[in-house]
Amino acid sequence: KQEVTQIPAALSVPEGENLVLNCSFTDSAIYNLQWFRQDPGKGLTSLLLIQSSQREQTSGRLNASLDKSSGRSTLYIAASQPGDSATYLCAISGGSYIPTFGRGTSLIVHP
Amino acid sequence: DAGVTQSPTHLIKTRGQQVTLRCSPKSGHDTVSWYQQALGQGPQFIFQYYEEEERQRGNFPDRFSGHQFPNYSSELNVNALLLGDSALYLCASSEMGGGEETQYFGPGTRLLVL
Repeated sequence: KQEVTQIPAALSVPEGENLVLNCSFTDSAIYNLQWFRQDPGKGLTSLLLIQSSQREQTSGRLNASLDKSSGRSTLYIAASQPGDSATYLCAISGGSYIPTFGRGTSLIVHP
Repeated sequence: DAGVTQSPTHLIKTRGQQVTLRCSPKSGHDTVSWYQQALGQGPQFIFQYYEEEERQRGNFPDRFSGHQFPNYSSELNVNALLLGDSALYLCASSEMGGGEETQYFGPGTRLLVL
């Protein structure tokens, strides 16, 4: 059974800081890993998807890396802004198990 | 492109009742997955439909059932509602078979069971 853990559970930072969100998983036989953002009471917005054969993906101020051997992914957010405040979730998809989400990291960026 | 749409947005039911939630996938997508998200938790996978068949199922009882139509839209049915079924129900679409693997989520249906 795949288990996904996200650390920290909550984070509060001043505007402008660079920050790292962590996602760890127990089974390295993954198909892909996807990072999402969720605003309160809303659906999920896809940020980045990393295939199992890839090591990282970038989109604007966001960079996600994947290390299957250590069972870890990180989401790096550069020059954080108050509009980045949201819950960030990672999700693992694999051939033999169901899609599995972490519980998320709740981020607050204060001006 | 309207993206993934879900209806209704909110729903209030009482214990023992039945509910049907609806989802239309993003244009070009043929696969629909349903998730349940309790407050403060990550989404839990219920099941996935592709080619009108259930392809994968999470750890949910048979009270949870679904259907996919020829136009790829989908329904989630929950029978004999329990208080614990209160949650945000999310639908996600994607393209099977090497197409777009990114899952796109709808805004969700907030279900409250009294």
